[in-house]
Amino acid sequence: DVKVTQSSRYLVKRTGEKVFLECVQDMDHENMFWYRQDPGLGLRLIYFSYDVKMKEKGDIPEGYSVSREKKERFSLILESASTNQTSMYLCASSSYRIYTFGSGTRLTVV
Amino acid sequence: GQQVMQIPQYQHVQEGEDFTTYCNSSTTLSNIQWYKQRPGGHPVFLIQLVKSGEVKKQKRLTFQFGEAKKNSSLHITATQTTDVGTYFCAGLWRDDKIIFGKGTRLHILP
Repeated sequence: DVKVTQSSRYLVKRTGEKVFLECVQDMDHENMFWYRQDPGLGLRLIYFSYDVKMKEKGDIPEGYSVSREKKERFSLILESASTNQTSMYLCASSSYRIYTFGSGTRLTVV
Repeated sequence: GQQVMQIPQYQHVQEGEDFTTYCNSSTTLSNIQWYKQRPGGHPVFLIQLVKSGEVKKQKRLTFQFGEAKKNSSLHITATQTTDVGTYFCAGLWRDDKIIFGKGTRLHILP
């Protein structure tokens, strides 16, 4: 089975902190994605990557950046966390446009 | 622009009743996918429909893709408590763009 692993299930950070959310997939997928999920708003795409060192903005990239130094790892960075970034963050990888999601990181910014 | 609308947002059914969720696109889709997210879990791929008018079944779940490839439905016959969760459709276009619907949250009343 394809596995997408997110480093933390729950995270609490202070406003202004720099936050790293890590995601690793083990099936050699080229495509990786970061979404945030909020009640009533569904899944919103933050950033995606189709290759190492490649990144593309999604629908809501403001306040976020990403890093993809290795094929299996895609990191989401909150440069200066704010309370409106409290959310569930889901990483996904895809092959033939079928998505496999990680278990999610529930981030609370206080 | 490309949009995917999913209705209803919430549905409560008695155990044993049927359930249907609908997904509509403003433009013609290439494919449509369905995912299920259990409470506290992450979206898991269920199925992909590709052909106009396609109907696929998975046990008590029936998936349909409209003739015009602009709409789709998921029907569950005789719901069980294990069906609880949020069902998402995801529309895919030829340019590789994918947009998730906001999901239908299904509650089962015992």
